[in-house]
Amino acid sequence: AQKVTQAQTEISVVEKEDVTLDCVYETRDTTYYLFWYKQPPSGELVFLIRRNSFDEQNEISGRYSWNFQKSTSSFNFTITASQVVDSAVYFCALSEVNFGNEKLTFGTGTRLTIIP
Amino acid sequence: GAVVSQHPSWVICKSGTSVKIECRSLDFQATTMFWYRQFPKQSLMLMATSNEGSKATYEQGVEKDKFLINHASLTLSTLTVTSAHPEDSSFYICSARDYSLTDEQYFGPGTRLTVT
Repeated sequence: AQKVTQAQTEISVVEKEDVTLDCVYETRDTTYYLFWYKQPPSGELVFLIRRNSFDEQNEISGRYSWNFQKSTSSFNFTITASQVVDSAVYFCALSEVNFGNEKLTFGTGTRLTIIP
Repeated sequence: GAVVSQHPSWVICKSGTSVKIECRSLDFQATTMFWYRQFPKQSLMLMATSNEGSKATYEQGVEKDKFLINHASLTLSTLTVTSAHPEDSSFYICSARDYSLTDEQYFGPGTRLTVT
């Protein structure tokens, strides 16, 4: 069975601070995908990143960066120089690779509030 | 880019009535669509996987006779909540797979159902 744990339920930081959202996963599969999604108050899920289990390279996209550590089963997300628009609920998710039916298992989410 | 729409975006219905939610892939064909449910301040839980032209596969604990899913075309899947009760009030989100491009899952904006 797959499981995604986001231990941080809520985080508040002052604008311009850096913040890291933690994600720990469990899976018996050797091949899988990891994702991060942003859900603003409007409710619509915004895709941020997908990472293949074979690719442990860290990724940076603007103010966003991701650290994938297979040894600790973690896929953490860092926002640098946070902005008020970053306030949202962030979900980490895991997908098996089952050609045709990759189901997403979501973590419980971390509510991030950026204080102006 | 790939766009998934849902209709309606919100609906209020009386207990005992049925409600149909549509999920459409606007600019791509989706052989597989997924339906998720999200209770307030909780994570997304997969309800069922819908494959075009075949019966949906429901997750454990989801009543297939209560949540009817039809995926009659490559661009449309519908979820019908039959004999709705207040406990069915939730945010329902669909996603669609685009196998012709990146096989990513694209999420719809969600439908907020309130049963009174």
